[in-house]
Amino acid sequence: KAGVTQTPRYLIKTRGQQVTLSCSPISGHRSVSWYQQTPGQGLQFLFEYFSETQRNKGNFPGRFSGRQFSNSRSEMNVSTLELGDSALYLCASSTGGGNTEAFFGQGTRLTVV
Amino acid sequence: GQSLEQPSEVTAVEGAIVQINCTYQTSGFYGLSWYQQHDGGAPTFLSYNALDGLEETGRFSSFLSRSDSYGYLLLQELQMKDSASYFCAGNNYGQNFVFGPGTRLSVLP
Repeated sequence: KAGVTQTPRYLIKTRGQQVTLSCSPISGHRSVSWYQQTPGQGLQFLFEYFSETQRNKGNFPGRFSGRQFSNSRSEMNVSTLELGDSALYLCASSTGGGNTEAFFGQGTRLTVV
Repeated sequence: GQSLEQPSEVTAVEGAIVQINCTYQTSGFYGLSWYQQHDGGAPTFLSYNALDGLEETGRFSSFLSRSDSYGYLLLQELQMKDSASYFCAGNNYGQNFVFGPGTRLSVLP
């Protein structure tokens, strides 16, 4: 059973640009959550998608958005990048109903210069 | 709101026992999970407590008291490879997870 796949693994962007990150969950999992991880800030919840609908949202500005496709793959977009957006972006896949365990991808390391 | 608190760092020696505490302020948490993350790696699931009490998985045990909004992870017979960050996470209505800030465990020889 393949794990959670995130692409790309590393990304360098300049301020003002936008970026799209991709996450393919474990087959059969319908929930995908996105987290931002920075040193000292832990894992900050961005949003969660379940069956193509955003079910939960964290406290991030509207520049951060996402979507989920019918095959459960999810994308996250950040527009008008700021230096502070530099972080490791992790996605987590779970079954979606009564979740007790989340499976994480290796993350996308985004650097904004 | 939903928030969890953990100590930022813990240090122990090989073979010892260490306890990492987690307190939370929230409503709607179905249970408490624990994750381990090595430097450069992805968080991996360790344990989940849906009910009050102790759950044991090998050298690791996790405890939950919902009335006290408190839980802990107990690591026994510490090994060097246990050096990592440990996160508690609240299970938000069985949907997404809200993570604590993480505790960095350093195991010394």
